[in-house]
Amino acid sequence: DAKTTQPNSMESNEEEPVHLPCNHSTISGTDYIHWYRQLPSQGPEYVIHGLTSNVNNRMASLAIAEDRKSSTLILHRATLRDAAVYYCILRGYSGGGADGLTFGKGTHLIIQP
Amino acid sequence: DAGVTQSPTHLIKTRGQHVTLRCSPISGHKSVSWYQQVLGQGPQFIFQYYEKEERGRGNFPDRFSARQFPNYSSELNVNALLLGDSALYLCASSLLPGGQGNTGELFFGEGSRLTVL
Repeated sequence: DAKTTQPNSMESNEEEPVHLPCNHSTISGTDYIHWYRQLPSQGPEYVIHGLTSNVNNRMASLAIAEDRKSSTLILHRATLRDAAVYYCILRGYSGGGADGLTFGKGTHLIIQP
Repeated sequence: DAGVTQSPTHLIKTRGQHVTLRCSPISGHKSVSWYQQVLGQGPQFIFQYYEKEERGRGNFPDRFSARQFPNYSSELNVNALLLGDSALYLCASSLLPGGQGNTGELFFGEGSRLTVL
């Protein structure tokens, strides 16, 4: 799987929007962009994924650059419960194959009250 | 509905011993994956099983093995434990092993924390 680059950490204030960037300049045409987050003492949790178009769900929005070489996870109104490590992961279409997710170190998001 | 359950939650072993970790997937999920997470790092893929067959393997030595049972639960076994095997071992389940539009969301358990002394 292609590699992603994320900042080690970011800090934001409660109730403000948070934009978490991810660079993936070697992304291939069939790679999906997935985001997971890991709260303290828990396993990772799926957040959102997309291919080309921007995506929204109840947790977050995913903005994908036109050239797909970068993306941004947007938390519209951060709460203290959003403090976690956020992982940006590229996943090639495997059509039933069994490649695992390739996690990097992610971005440690700190939310200040 | 119950999520992915793992046992034990914590355990301590000594070097050279063997350990078995267990995972029960979400009801209806036929695929189980195992990940190792060393402190300060992201999870690393170890194995994936689907319909009781190994479908994928990460870059781990042969001391690591796993199996999936007819009820889709799974075991991860690690032989001849080393200090470096100390980690959080995560199990994840999904409906399908990987793709089908790549909506292959994985559901993770809370992990088994292994300490090797």
